[in-house]
Amino acid sequence: GAVVSQHPSWVICKSGTSVKIECRSLDFQATTMFWYRQFPKQSLMLMATSNEGSKATYEQGVEKDKFLINHASLTLSTLTVTSAHPEDSSFYICSARSLDRGEDTQYFGPGTRLTVL
Amino acid sequence: AQSVTQLGSHVSVSEGALVLLRCNYSSSVPPYLFWYVQYPNQGLQLLLKYTSAATLVKGINGFEAEFKKSETSFHLTKPSAHMSDAAEYFCAVSRTGGGNKLTFGTGTQLKVEL
Repeated sequence: GAVVSQHPSWVICKSGTSVKIECRSLDFQATTMFWYRQFPKQSLMLMATSNEGSKATYEQGVEKDKFLINHASLTLSTLTVTSAHPEDSSFYICSARSLDRGEDTQYFGPGTRLTVL
Repeated sequence: AQSVTQLGSHVSVSEGALVLLRCNYSSSVPPYLFWYVQYPNQGLQLLLKYTSAATLVKGINGFEAEFKKSETSFHLTKPSAHMSDAAEYFCAVSRTGGGNKLTFGTGTQLKVEL
């Protein structure tokens, strides 16, 4: 089946540093990937839609200069949290859109736990 | 705008009992509806989806959901709960299919007791 991986699975960083999170579709090509944020005991909130070869589309209230998204290939999207602060600590989940075999489905990665000290 | 409301942030059932997780939606267009399950510190796994075909949708792990337009509901059920079903369940809605923007409900934590 369709598999999406994320790396790293968890990361701890100091306030003010930048952190890059990778999202890969392992066995299918994804022209579209999504980045979600999930606070403890809460639902997923869509941050941005990443399209291969073009700029990401950010949801209202999400700072594009703080959360940099790059979708350089059909199997890789990256989210960089710049100048991270403790309030950026969260669970970040990506998903990749599969159009293989006539389906139109998002497959989710296992998530990345970010802790900013 | 689309939204989903999940009634009950926590549901507790006995092993072997019926599982019923409630989801009501709001949509100005015919919706696509989904149920996802999330285990601790993991991503989401699709249980089932409604895409305007049969109103009774069967998913993985013995779960099913029925789309009721008159009630704007898409409740998730399983006849007999298993300990391994304990997880967080999210209902979601989309305008144009599962590959596009999803709007999630607040989630329901299912606890299964012996």
